Amino acid sequence: EDQVTQSPEALRLQEGESSSLNCSYTVSGLRGLFWYRQDPGKGPEFLFTLYSAGEEKEKERLKATLTKKESFLHITAPKPEDSATYLCAVYSGGGADGLTFGKGTHLIIQP
Amino acid sequence: DAGVIQSPRHEVTEMGQEVTLRCKPISGHNSLFWYRQTMMRGLELLIYFNNNVPIDDSGMPEDRFSAKMPNASFSTLKIQPSEPRDSAVYFCASSRVSSEAFFGQGTRLTVV
Repeated sequence: EDQVTQSPEALRLQEGESSSLNCSYTVSGLRGLFWYRQDPGKGPEFLFTLYSAGEEKEKERLKATLTKKESFLHITAPKPEDSATYLCAVYSGGGADGLTFGKGTHLIIQP
Repeated sequence: DAGVIQSPRHEVTEMGQEVTLRCKPISGHNSLFWYRQTMMRGLELLIYFNNNVPIDDSGMPEDRFSAKMPNASFSTLKIQPSEPRDSAVYFCASSRVSSEAFFGQGTRLTVV
């Protein structure tokens, strides 16, 4: 059974204070790792897909990296509008195409 | 494209009543997913359709839950009878096969 663990559960940063969110996973065969952002009262919004160890993707102040056991979402010089819950999910195929999600990291950026 | 559209956005019902949640996926997407989100358990996959056919319903918690996809542009998730522990936010998502999923805004269900 696929498992995804995210840490920390919550993180409070000052505006401009860079940090990283962690996503550890256990899957039989990783076919994709996804990062989503979720704002209160809304559905998850797709950010990145990573497919193989060593891969990196960037979007504005966010950079996602992948190893064989975990993924990091690095946030550089965050702004208050980056406040959200960040969700990590894995896809291993195996006949079922649904994603297995972690419980998320609730990020608050204080001005 | 308007994205994945879910209705209603909020539903309050009494225990024992039937509840039907609706979803219109993104045009051209052939995979559709129903998820449930709670504080305790996070996002859980309930059922997955591919080309309108249910592929994996192992996440459906009980026989009280059923889902249909009569055509490529419409799906329903029904709970009958509803119970207070079914209270959660229910999300529908769609994707092309093996690609990122796009989520709707969700239906917040409260069963009293």
